[in-house]
Amino acid sequence: QVQLQQSGPGLVKPSQTLSLTCAVSGDSVSSNSAAWNWIRQSPSRGLEWLGRTYYRSNWYNDYAVSVKSRITINPDTSKNQFSLQLNSVTPEDTAVYYCARERGGSYFHWGQGTLVTVSS
Amino acid sequence: SSELTQDPAVSVALGQTVRITCQGDSLRSYFASWYQQKPGQAPLLVIYDKNNRPSGIPDRFSGSSSGNTASLTITGAQAEDEADYYCNSRDRSGNPCVFGGGTKLTVL
Repeated sequence: QVQLQQSGPGLVKPSQTLSLTCAVSGDSVSSNSAAWNWIRQSPSRGLEWLGRTYYRSNWYNDYAVSVKSRITINPDTSKNQFSLQLNSVTPEDTAVYYCARERGGSYFHWGQGTLVTVSS
Repeated sequence: SSELTQDPAVSVALGQTVRITCQGDSLRSYFASWYQQKPGQAPLLVIYDKNNRPSGIPDRFSGSSSGNTASLTITGAQAEDEADYYCNSRDRSGNPCVFGGGTKLTVL
C-alpha cells in the first residue's frame, strides 16, 4: 500500500525559499512506472500542478511554466523521498501543497497536504 | 484561468443520477481523470483513463468522453458523494498536467 508523508514548515517569509519533503512507502521513487509530483491548491488558483521528477533509466524533471524559474524537485533515493524547493516566495505562493504519485497522467496517491503561509 | 472548464456547482437529489462535465481542447487528444475532494482532505482519484475506477471506488462512478468534453456520472448519488470534483488532463501549453476549476456537488 503506497503512502506519502509530507513534512516541512508551515510558515515562510517573503523572498525566502519554501522547502517540503515527501517520504514514500510502498513504492520506490526510482520506479520506472511512476512519477513524483508536487501540486498546490489555493482559493484563488484552484489546483495547480507545479512539477515532477521521475526515473526512466535517467532522472528527469518537468516544471510548470508559471514557476519554472523558481522551482526544484529532487529525488533522494537513499531515503526514498523527494523534495520541493520554491525560491523567492511571495504571498501569492500561500497554498496547501500536496505531493502525489502519478501513473499515466493520473494521481493515484496523495500526501496529507501542508498549508504553507508566506508572511513576514 | 484553467484550460479545463467545469460548472462551479451542481446539485442532485438523493438516489438520482448526476453528470459533471469538463470541457477543453486537450480532451480531444487526452483522457481525463476525475478526483473527489471533501473538506480538509486531499483529492481522491475516482476515475482514470476516461472510465477506469481505482480499487475501492464504488461502481456508481463512471466516466465518458465525447469531442472536447469529458463527463463524470454518478448513478444513484449518495449523501457521502457530496464533495468538490475536479478533472485533470494534459494541456497544450507544454505542461504535463492541468486541472479544471472544480464542481461543487450538493446532494439534496
